[in-house]
Amino acid sequence: GAVVSQHPSRVICKSGTSVKIECRSLDFQATTMFWYRQFPKQSLMLMATSNEGSKATYEQGVEKDKFLINHASLTLSTLTVTSAHPEDSSFYICSARVGGGGTEAFFGQGTRLTVV
Amino acid sequence: GQQLNQSPQSMFIQEGEDVSMNCTSSSIFNTWLWYKQDPGEGPVLLIALYKAGELTSNGRLTAQFGITRKDSFLNISASIPSDVGIYFCAGLRGSARQLTFGSGTQLTVLP
Repeated sequence: GAVVSQHPSRVICKSGTSVKIECRSLDFQATTMFWYRQFPKQSLMLMATSNEGSKATYEQGVEKDKFLINHASLTLSTLTVTSAHPEDSSFYICSARVGGGGTEAFFGQGTRLTVV
Repeated sequence: GQQLNQSPQSMFIQEGEDVSMNCTSSSIFNTWLWYKQDPGEGPVLLIALYKAGELTSNGRLTAQFGITRKDSFLNISASIPSDVGIYFCAGLRGSARQLTFGSGTQLTVLP
């Protein structure tokens, strides 16, 4: 299947700082990428849909100023957690679908964010 | 919100046994996907289903797209220790761009 690379896999940051997570589609172009958050022993919760060249679409209850998304190219989307707090500690996962109409979604390896 | 009911929530089985899990919904889905997630990793696609009634295999895994388009099941035959993990179903409805996920099935294989 298609490869989605997410970086970093783990990050520890101090409270109040910002952290950027990158999501790259390595062997295909993705006009749309998705960012999820996952709590322990729970399913994936969609945070936002990242659209290449336009603004991201955020799910209800997700602060767009807190979780900044940039999708500047067809192979890269970034999620920046601004002014991180301990409650932002979580597992963040991105995914991408092949092309504009592909139905199979491929996931990155995930990023474990710990805010201390 | 989450609209897929996945069961069972967890399973403890002996190595060599077969496993079955399923997802149901009150809504119709056009695509069903099954993923496996290992601890600390992102989900990995196992099987994709595109047509009602479709039965697809991937090694020891078999999945079916329900005739009503409101359900799907995943079977794992002759389980082995590396089958341990969380299995998620996911569905795609109509013109929706995002997947709807089940709550996951935690599988433990005992030696």
